[in-house]
Amino acid sequence: DAGVIQSPRHEVTEMGQEVTLRCKPISGHNSLFWYRQTMMRGLELLIYFNNNVPIDDSGMPEDRFSAKMPNASFSTLKIQPSEPRDSAVYFCASSQDRKTYGYTFGSGTRLTVV
Amino acid sequence: GNSVTQMEGPVTLSEEAFLTINCTYTATGYPSLFWYVQYPGEGLQLLLKATKADDKGSNKGFEATYRKETTSFHLEKGSVQVSDSAVYFCALPGSGNTGKLIFGQGTTLQVKP
Repeated sequence: DAGVIQSPRHEVTEMGQEVTLRCKPISGHNSLFWYRQTMMRGLELLIYFNNNVPIDDSGMPEDRFSAKMPNASFSTLKIQPSEPRDSAVYFCASSQDRKTYGYTFGSGTRLTVV
Repeated sequence: GNSVTQMEGPVTLSEEAFLTINCTYTATGYPSLFWYVQYPGEGLQLLLKATKADDKGSNKGFEATYRKETTSFHLEKGSVQVSDSAVYFCALPGSGNTGKLIFGQGTTLQVKP
């Protein structure tokens, strides 16, 4: 298996622009998670899906952030409009059995908003 | 709810030194416990896990024992290498059937030659 695939690896955008991050989970995994990592706040869970349904989005910072999972093999995290404080590394992870097997993380998208 | 606390870093060691990174948890019942590692510029990788009390997880020379008496899951390695330099995260499932992992704040390990 190719693992969890995220794209793009790096994104530089201007403040106010829309940014879309993409994730392809491991086939057969039924849970998908979006995390954000910064030096100041560490690793933050933004939202997670189970069987394509959003279960907990309490970590989404504000209405500028939205996430979708239209099918079992694809998810997006969108920021509109982007702000400099959104600069971070965004990770996607998937899990088959969260209580036994743990997560598999993607390599992340490094977002820089200037 | 479930929570996890790790020792603060950074931890700086010389090559071949003994490593301990402390992790304690608060949880309902006896959930699985995990250690993840993040190498520079990469995502987190599962390093080892223990699924029940008194289990010992091990991988790549690292070990951690699930100790319910002290609610701890300390990470140890007998002889660290420069290539072990990374950030280490302790984790456990959130309370209830939530499906999410709770991560510690991470401990940075730097190994010098």
